[in-house]
Amino acid sequence: QQQVKQSPQSLIVQKGGISIINCAYENTAFDYFPWYQQFPGKGPALLIAIRPDVSEKKEGRFTISFNKSAKQFSLHIMDSQPGDSATYFCAAGPGNTGKLIFGQGTTLQVKP
Amino acid sequence: KAGVTQTPRYLIKTRGQQVTLSCSPISGHRSVSWYQQTPGQGLQFLFEYFSETQRNKGNFPGRFSGRQFSNSRSEMNVSTLELGDSALYLCASSLTSGSAYNEQFFGPGTRLTVL
Repeated sequence: QQQVKQSPQSLIVQKGGISIINCAYENTAFDYFPWYQQFPGKGPALLIAIRPDVSEKKEGRFTISFNKSAKQFSLHIMDSQPGDSATYFCAAGPGNTGKLIFGQGTTLQVKP
Repeated sequence: KAGVTQTPRYLIKTRGQQVTLSCSPISGHRSVSWYQQTPGQGLQFLFEYFSETQRNKGNFPGRFSGRQFSNSRSEMNVSTLELGDSALYLCASSLTSGSAYNEQFFGPGTRLTVL
């Protein structure tokens, strides 16, 4: 009930392509779904987050799609750039606490 | 505005020792959460502190403890270190606890190696 499953584990995309990372959760009490980006030697940085009252949120080249009935959400990176090469984590949690359950991470490589 | 700072950045200890890690949240942030990151288990929640009180706790043994001071700075302590405690320990701060949209900002982490 507390798991967040993330796929794929790794992803290689050509520059300019679309990167898609998927996550699924089990606990219907979760109401906050952030995505984090982590570069080697750094802490995770918040990219974009969504609440279940909307089905999509877009910020620049990053879009979260959310399917409440399927308990799934995904991150789309449009026009992927080599600088986007990093590890991406989805997370979920009740928005009224600091407890986030993280997916296992996706290592994205964008080839020039 | 300065980000979350964690000290020390790197630490090497031997089995059986104890260690204390420190976290200074973003100015004005009152909630601090701690996470353990390992290649095998990923990012796992340790505990959350708000107003010097532990609000939530993850599934870690009692050897892992923490506290928060009146200035919101936080420390976590691991006693009787085991090899499996080798990890990157991350601290995250947020403005408040109990918010419906609790954005967390992470520090760079403390890399703990247990020999």
